[in-house]
Amino acid sequence: DSGVTQTPKHLITATGQRVTLRCSPRSGDLSVYWYQQSLDQGLQFLIQYYNGEERAKGNILERFSAQQFPDLHSELNLSSLELGDSALYFCASSVGWQSNSEAFFGQGTRLTVV
Amino acid sequence: DQQVKQNSPSLSVQEGRISILNCDYTNSMFDYFLWYKKYPAEGPTFLISISSIKDKNEDGRFTVFLNKSAKHLSLHIVPSQPGDSAVYFCAASALGGAQKLVFGQGTRLTINP
Repeated sequence: DSGVTQTPKHLITATGQRVTLRCSPRSGDLSVYWYQQSLDQGLQFLIQYYNGEERAKGNILERFSAQQFPDLHSELNLSSLELGDSALYFCASSVGWQSNSEAFFGQGTRLTVV
Repeated sequence: DQQVKQNSPSLSVQEGRISILNCDYTNSMFDYFLWYKKYPAEGPTFLISISSIKDKNEDGRFTVFLNKSAKHLSLHIVPSQPGDSAVYFCAASALGGAQKLVFGQGTRLTINP
């Protein structure tokens, strides 16, 4: 158990809908990251927050947005969903924001868009 | 444009032997490299890392080698154990910057008894 909690574990929704994925970081971790793993792709970095502020952005679609709340949990909002958004979405957390701060991953949320 | 490549989708090794997983990168700005291990239905777990000022880092049965001129790194597992069967991801980032890890596609390692 990494200490990073993601909910829900599975989500099935229809095209055009909007969903929210939730992540609770490890106790004491200030940084939260979101990654997407599609069927034929490796993990793709989406976005990083550190202590409530956006720190780095990857290839995140405009239909996707995220935030980190004062209690440090984070939410990833996916809207106008398309079939191609079906993927595993991982959240990770670390103490610091720099690349040598070891990141711990949650178990992921499997999103299926039908 | 895949900046981090793991060209072997799968690898099968006998228990007790050495497992060697390879990774190539193209971005010369990368100077921090990590290996993650992933079991089914779990998130990736950090294994070992290396910065570009070193060419080798060891942690128990795991050793990572970095060849900067060839833009190549490898993970050696000796001796291989059945519990090592998993998908292994190589990742890279620019040290000192924000943690935007770029992952390879992964190599599925199977350890045969």
